Amino acid sequence: RKEVEQDPGPFNVPEGATVAFNCTYSNSASQSFFWYRQDCRKEPKLLMSVYSSGNEDGRFTAQLNRASQYISLLIRDSKLSDSATYLCVVTPPGTYKYIFGTGTRLKVLA
Amino acid sequence: DAGVIQSPRHEVTEMGQEVTLRCKPISGHNSLFWYRQTMMRGLELLIYFNNNVPIDDSGMPEDRFSAKMPNASFSTLKIQPSEPRDSAVYFCASSLGLEETQYFGPGTRLLVL
Repeated sequence: RKEVEQDPGPFNVPEGATVAFNCTYSNSASQSFFWYRQDCRKEPKLLMSVYSSGNEDGRFTAQLNRASQYISLLIRDSKLSDSATYLCVVTPPGTYKYIFGTGTRLKVLA
Repeated sequence: DAGVIQSPRHEVTEMGQEVTLRCKPISGHNSLFWYRQTMMRGLELLIYFNNNVPIDDSGMPEDRFSAKMPNASFSTLKIQPSEPRDSAVYFCASSLGLEETQYFGPGTRLLVL
């Protein structure tokens, strides 16, 4: 089993739709979680950290489910500019390494 | 403010040649990370430094790969000799500290023929 797994997609959604991605991780003791966004041929950029209590930033909501070992990202009222690959990141216990998922590709259609 | 700077942005070389990738972290950042991204394997951590000291190089694929950080504002990743399977995008990232958010540079696209 991979350390971090994501559905590669693509998720094709119309503008204004709500879309959600999940990311599962194998090590139950993993300690930090993030969502990064990567545009085509660009570098990854931090979208948001994921806290145990869940957190929201505008149209984006991230949640952590430790019991089931997954994190989720919800995008509401999706925009064309949200089209990108979304990478989840997990840090194993006792390290500062970022373990990246292979990413979920989102296409928002006009 | 300047972000992480990488050079060159593109590199095409022939198998067997030495390749040197360069990275300038964000000023004031104490931690630096080298990643490799390919379609097949995604984004993989190769090595990271804290205060110029290598902390974990377990991701370095082979002895052909080496990395140095001679000072707080410069790091290199060297491949010698290069092979076609080394073709990838190599990213450098830096953070204030090991536990802080990592900021990525624009990457170096390497093609080994």
